Amino acid sequence: GAVVSQHPSWVICKSGTSVKIECRSLDFQATTMFWYRQFPKQSLMLMATSNEGSKATYEQGVEKDKFLINHASLTLSTLTVTSAHPEDSSFYICSARGAGGVYGYTFGSGTRLTVV
Amino acid sequence: GQQVMQIPQYQHVQEGEDFTTYCNSSTTLSNIQWYKQRPGGHPVFLIQLVKSGEVKKQKRLTFQFGEAKKNSSLHITATQTTDVGTYFCAETGTASKLTFGTGTRLQVTL
Repeated sequence: GAVVSQHPSWVICKSGTSVKIECRSLDFQATTMFWYRQFPKQSLMLMATSNEGSKATYEQGVEKDKFLINHASLTLSTLTVTSAHPEDSSFYICSARGAGGVYGYTFGSGTRLTVV
Repeated sequence: GQQVMQIPQYQHVQEGEDFTTYCNSSTTLSNIQWYKQRPGGHPVFLIQLVKSGEVKKQKRLTFQFGEAKKNSSLHITATQTTDVGTYFCAETGTASKLTFGTGTRLQVTL
């Protein structure tokens, strides 16, 4: 079945530094990638949608200059949290969808970010 | 956008008891998907419902989509400890964006 690899699984960084999270589709071409964040005991909130080769579309209230998304190829999307602050600490999860409208989105294993 | 509400937020059952979570929307849903997220894990796709009144079963799990396509339910018969996790309903909306419901956290004890 479809597999999405997300790396790193966890990261601790200092306030003010940037962190890059990678999401790769291993056995299919992900025409669309979605990035979510999830706070403890809460639902997944969509941050942005990225299509290969074009700029990401951000949800209302999500700072595009803070959360940089790059979807340069059909198998790789990255999320960079710039100038991270403690309030950015969260669980970040990517989801990939292939061409042709395959439903049942495939999720990465998530990245737990802690900013100290 | 408006989030789909799920009830209950949390349920604690003893192994062998049944469990049901409900997903409600004020607007008509184009489809509904169900996901399970284990503690510390990521959402795993369970099923998709598209048709009004649709009912699908997967072993002990029964999924229903309301006639008006504004609500859905997931029923687990005779829960097991392996059923522990949070169950989310989700809708694919415009631009294929997947929007999650608020989730129901299930705890099962022996």
